Amino acid sequence: QLVLTQSPSASASLGASVKLTCTLSSGLSDYAIAWHQQQPEKGPRYLMKLNSDGGHSKGDGIPDRFSGSSSGAERYLTISSLQSEDEADYYCQTWGAGVGILFGGGTKLTVL
Amino acid sequence: EVQLVESGGALVQRGGSLRLSCAASGFTFSNYAMNWVRQTPGKGLEWVSGISASGGSSDYADSVKGRFTISRDNSKTTLYLHMNSLRAEDRAVYYCVKVHDILTGPSDDALHLWGQGTMVTISS
Repeated sequence: QLVLTQSPSASASLGASVKLTCTLSSGLSDYAIAWHQQQPEKGPRYLMKLNSDGGHSKGDGIPDRFSGSSSGAERYLTISSLQSEDEADYYCQTWGAGVGILFGGGTKLTVL
Repeated sequence: EVQLVESGGALVQRGGSLRLSCAASGFTFSNYAMNWVRQTPGKGLEWVSGISASGGSSDYADSVKGRFTISRDNSKTTLYLHMNSLRAEDRAVYYCVKVHDILTGPSDDALHLWGQGTMVTISS
């Protein structure tokens, strides 16, 4: 089964760093993904496209505090110098022929 | 300004029909595949359907196949979602989304630009 797995929740302190993980199932392990942020009561916002080699392209206006990396079937979103506005739900998303578009279940990030 | 503005969300009876629209501006609409994604309040994101830049090909999630139809009018830079035989589980906020790269398949790329969403509510 083709799935993207994310931890339901994560937390970190204001000013600290946090690394969120998206794990691709065995049939998707070489796929690129995108990360999206959804702040409370808002629509999602594209953060970046992340390749299997760790290369990534961020959306316009996305701060340098947001970065992506990859290792095997895992794709990461690291947010450094956490700010209160980073408290949000974060979704990974992949795509492909015969796959359509798939989302992970999302990680709710709490900034302490 | 690059933006997507959805409309058409409403309260509709179970078994009824509805058409959502998405007006695009600020980019060359006819170069990009477009998608609909929905979100039940308090839940995660679910891809619904995608259509190629030309409108010549489309994809659907199994949950809506045969009931929903995606279409586009490139001359009006507008995307549509025609929804029939609506069910309780179709209740959600529906987002119109542009893909990242030009001239891809219907659902063959990162989602890039999101609209603000339009709410569909189903009554029994």
